[in-house]
Amino acid sequence: DAGVIQSPRHEVTEMGQEVTLRCKPISGHNSLFWYRQTMMRGLELLIYFNNNVPIDDSGMPEDRFSAKMPNASFSTLKIQPSEPRDSAVYFCASSLGEGYNEQFFGPGTRLTVL
Amino acid sequence: DQQVKQNSPSLSVQEGRISILNCDYTNSMFDYFLWYKKYPAEGPTFLISISSIKDKNEDGRFTVFLNKSAKHLSLHIVPSQPGDSAVYFCAASAVSAIYDMRFGAGTRLTVKP
Repeated sequence: DAGVIQSPRHEVTEMGQEVTLRCKPISGHNSLFWYRQTMMRGLELLIYFNNNVPIDDSGMPEDRFSAKMPNASFSTLKIQPSEPRDSAVYFCASSLGEGYNEQFFGPGTRLTVL
Repeated sequence: DQQVKQNSPSLSVQEGRISILNCDYTNSMFDYFLWYKKYPAEGPTFLISISSIKDKNEDGRFTVFLNKSAKHLSLHIVPSQPGDSAVYFCAASAVSAIYDMRFGAGTRLTVKP
């Protein structure tokens, strides 16, 4: 199994541009999570999907952020327009079920907004 | 609000000795606790977990202890190995929102040969 796949690994963009981060969860996992890691706030949950349905998006910081999961094998996190304070590492994770199950993290996307 | 705190940003130990990483939490609703390990340029990987009905869980060289009254947990690594050098994150969640893990800021462990 290839694990959780994220693309791109690095993204550098200019303020105001649209950014799309992509995630392929582990096959068979039905829960998907997007996290953001910053020096100031650490690792924080942005949004949680279960069976492709957004269950909790209370961690999404602003309306500029949106996430979709059109099918069980793909999710996107979009920032439009991007701002320098969005610079962070964004992780996608997946798990089997939503209970006491280990979350498997992808390698992350390092986003830099100039 | 930092509901999970790891007050030691870094820890250095000698190979073969014990590493003890500490974590405190403030939310009494938390009943499931996890430790994740993170190497540079990789995502966190699950290490060990413990539920609030236990006070100890072992997995090989790794043991997690939970003191509910003190709202404190610790991770013991015995013996420590250079390959254990990584950032360790403590995380906690509540049964009401088990998916919503709250992470500590992490402790960077360095194991010297």
